[in-house]
Amino acid sequence: EVQLVESGGGLVQPGGSLRLSCAASGFTFSSYWMHWVRQAPGKGLVWVSRINSDGSSTSYADSVKGRFTISRDNAKNTLYLQMNSLRAEDTAVYYCARGIEEAFDIWGQGTMVTVSS
Amino acid sequence: AIRMTQSPSSFSASTGDRVTITCRASQGISSYLAWYQQKPGKAPKLLIYAASTLQSGVPSRFSGSGSGTDFTLTISCLQSEDFATYYCQQYYSYPITFGQGTRLEIK
Repeated sequence: EVQLVESGGGLVQPGGSLRLSCAASGFTFSSYWMHWVRQAPGKGLVWVSRINSDGSSTSYADSVKGRFTISRDNAKNTLYLQMNSLRAEDTAVYYCARGIEEAFDIWGQGTMVTVSS
Repeated sequence: AIRMTQSPSSFSASTGDRVTITCRASQGISSYLAWYQQKPGKAPKLLIYAASTLQSGVPSRFSGSGSGTDFTLTISCLQSEDFATYYCQQYYSYPITFGQGTRLEIK
């Protein structure tokens, strides 16, 4: 079964850090670009970041540039999002998603990140 | 960034109705448009990509059309499981952007 499973979310204080993971299974992970998308409570979808198949190229939304780092370990079939200098406005469910022509055909179940003191 | 505007933001319909949701891009995006369905507490599900290509496993009552700046998602005969929120997404250029969503409710 093709699957993405996120982990690593939780409660963190403003200014803190968190690393999200996304474990892939059921497909050749190293062949696909991967993305992170977030959704604040009661709000819409916002693209956060993407990484190409071999990890050599990345892109970020302006709102997270310089604070978040996307990476991947193709040997472990795992995608990561390192989040530093977290702000209250980063509170959201974070989804990892597989890209096909930059549409997202497979999504994880999401992991909640809450930034609060 | 390309702005995606959906209309309506919400509306009510009945099972069996034909419904159309529109999505307008602030600049031309060719056919680099996808549609997603999201139910409460669940991840989005890809319905259509490349503006009109039905994702595998998605019922044929869903269809998409358009190119350039104006796009539509049509559900030909609403089923109970179709009541959800729908999002369009452009992937013509970064940053990838989504519409604000259209909430489809039962009348």
